[in-house]
Parts: sequence; structure tokens; C-alpha cells
Amino acid sequence: EPEVTQTPSHQVTQMGQEVILRCVPISNHLYFYWYRQILGQKVEFLVSFYNNEISEKSEIFDDQFSVERPDGSNFTLKIRSTKLEDSAMYFCASSEVSTGANTGELFFGEGSRLTVL
Amino acid sequence: QKEVEQDPGPLSVPEGAIVSLNCTYSNSAFQYFMWYRQYSRKGPELLMYTYSSGNKEDGRFTAQVDKSSKYISLFIRDSQPSDSATYLCAMSPFYNTDKLIFGTGTRLQVFP
Repeated sequence: EPEVTQTPSHQVTQMGQEVILRCVPISNHLYFYWYRQILGQKVEFLVSFYNNEISEKSEIFDDQFSVERPDGSNFTLKIRSTKLEDSAMYFCASSEVSTGANTGELFFGEGSRLTVL
Repeated sequence: QKEVEQDPGPLSVPEGAIVSLNCTYSNSAFQYFMWYRQYSRKGPELLMYTYSSGNKEDGRFTAQVDKSSKYISLFIRDSQPSDSATYLCAMSPFYNTDKLIFGTGTRLQVFP
């Protein structure tokens, strides 16, 4: 069964360092998303991406965040200068249809846990 | 008032019990309602989605939406130990947004 894969599963970094989280969405999906979940809190939307550009972003997704689809398979989230409060589980998701967010037909990866010290 | 509220639990039930999981919400624009299941150290997995009010059944799972009360429920019949997971409700308005609003999740433990 096709799945969304994420790397690394866990990354520990020092405050102020740059981090890149990688995702390989399901191959025929065209819509990509990043969500995050701070420990003990709810899953929160960060950004959606389609046709090589950001479709929508939340207020959390400030200038220190960026997303990129560098090739035909990877989708990355970069945090330029990490802060303690960026410590969270980051989930990548993909969808075949544009209404994926409306119908919940998002397929999530297992997440990348980021720990900022 | 939080946009979506969900009792975090934990909820512990014996195998075979009927489980009721609930969320309330404040935004009357929400039209799409989903339930996700999240096993430990895994990403959320869609269980069911419902558009607007009404019931939807899929095997042992039934989703209910009451828009007048801004209340949604997920019922699990004949619960199994394999149902032990965190259950997240999520919602989306009908207008053009990619953003899903999640509840905090209810942790369910089904013991044999």
C-alpha cells in the first residue's frame, strides 16, 4: 500500500541551527501539507503546497519556515533558525484531490520528531 | 472558547464495550467533519468523514454530526484491543481552505 515517508524520524538540534525535514509523498498525489503537533497539544496546520507554490499557510508559518519540492519526489520543510518552541512532531501529508482537506482524504506520514535544545 | 474541544481522556473500556467519543465546536461554518485514528508513534489515519449533519456507518464505526448543537460523535461497537489509539476529530469549513482544524484527541484503551 502506498504511503507517505518522512525522514529523519527524530532530529536533535541546537537552538539557532537550520533544520530540513524531508517527505516523500504518495507518487500520484499533487497536494502536499505540513502539520505539526507539540507534545500534548493538537495537530496544527502549517502550510499547503500545490503546483510548486504555497496554496495556504497558517500564522505559525512565519519567515523562518519554507517549503520546497526540489525534485519530482521529495517535499521538504526548512526551519532556518530553530527556536525552543519549534520542538514538535512534524507531519507531512499528501492528497490526490484538491478537496483532500475538506474530505479528510489526507494521507499522513509517521512524523519527524524535532527536539531543539 | 476553543474552536474545537475534545475530552483528552484517557478512556479505558473492556473489550466488547460500546465507546462514545465526542467533540464540540464553535464555528458554524464547519461543514466537513472527520475522525482520525492515531496509533502511538504513527501519523493520523482517516477513519470516517461526514458532510454536514447526519449519521454515517462503516462496520463497527458510526459517525454522527449534529450541527444545531455543534456536536459530533464517533461510536465504536464491539470494541477490540486493536482499537486502542488516540482518536482525533477534525473539521473544515466549506469555503476554500486547505486547513483542517483538529481536536486535541481522546486516548482510548480497550483492555481484554
